[in-house]
Amino acid sequence: QKEVEQNSGPLSVPEGAIASLNCTYSDRVSQSFFWYRQYSGKSPELIMSIYSNGDKEDGRFTAQLNKASQYVSLLIRDSQPSDSATYLCAVPPLRGGADGLTFGKGTHLIIQP
Amino acid sequence: GAVVSQHPSRVICKSGTSVKIECRSLDFQATTMFWYRQFPKKSLMLMATSNEGSKATYEQGVEKDKFLINHASLTLSTLTVTSAHPEDSSFYICSPSPQGRGRGSYNEQFFGPGTRLTVL
Repeated sequence: QKEVEQNSGPLSVPEGAIASLNCTYSDRVSQSFFWYRQYSGKSPELIMSIYSNGDKEDGRFTAQLNKASQYVSLLIRDSQPSDSATYLCAVPPLRGGADGLTFGKGTHLIIQP
Repeated sequence: GAVVSQHPSRVICKSGTSVKIECRSLDFQATTMFWYRQFPKKSLMLMATSNEGSKATYEQGVEKDKFLINHASLTLSTLTVTSAHPEDSSFYICSPSPQGRGRGSYNEQFFGPGTRLTVL
């Protein structure tokens, strides 16, 4: 049984600061990881995917993956009030495509103006 | 990202009635459809997986006779909640995928806008 763990928060960050969101997973053979943003009452929106160890940057977002530690994080630079949302970490099934994603419970992020 | 529509976006019904939710992939063919539900302040939980033209596979604890899934075409799948009860009130979200079973690397998964079901 795969498990994806996230601190539910809320995580409160001042506007303009760096928000750091963390996720650990139990399945050692997981190969890819996704970060979704979900606003209240809306469905999740994919914001980052990462497949290799190290950092991947896209605009203000940086995903960091450490497979040895089974840890993936999301950094949001220059945080804006519009970044306030729940961030979900997700892990796909093994051997591609047969099953849906396993989600963490999500971290509720609040950016304080 | 992929364009996915769901209808209706919100539905309120009486206990005992059935509700049908439609999910359409508008710019690609979905060989696989995932259906999730999300209870308030909880994460998404996979309910079932269907492949076009075949029966759906349900996750443990999800009643296949209560949640009927039809995936008759590559662009349309429906979820019918039969004899709905208040405990079925939830946010139902579909996720069409161009993948089929046994394919290679996993692609990003995109979601429909969701259907908020409230059973009185």
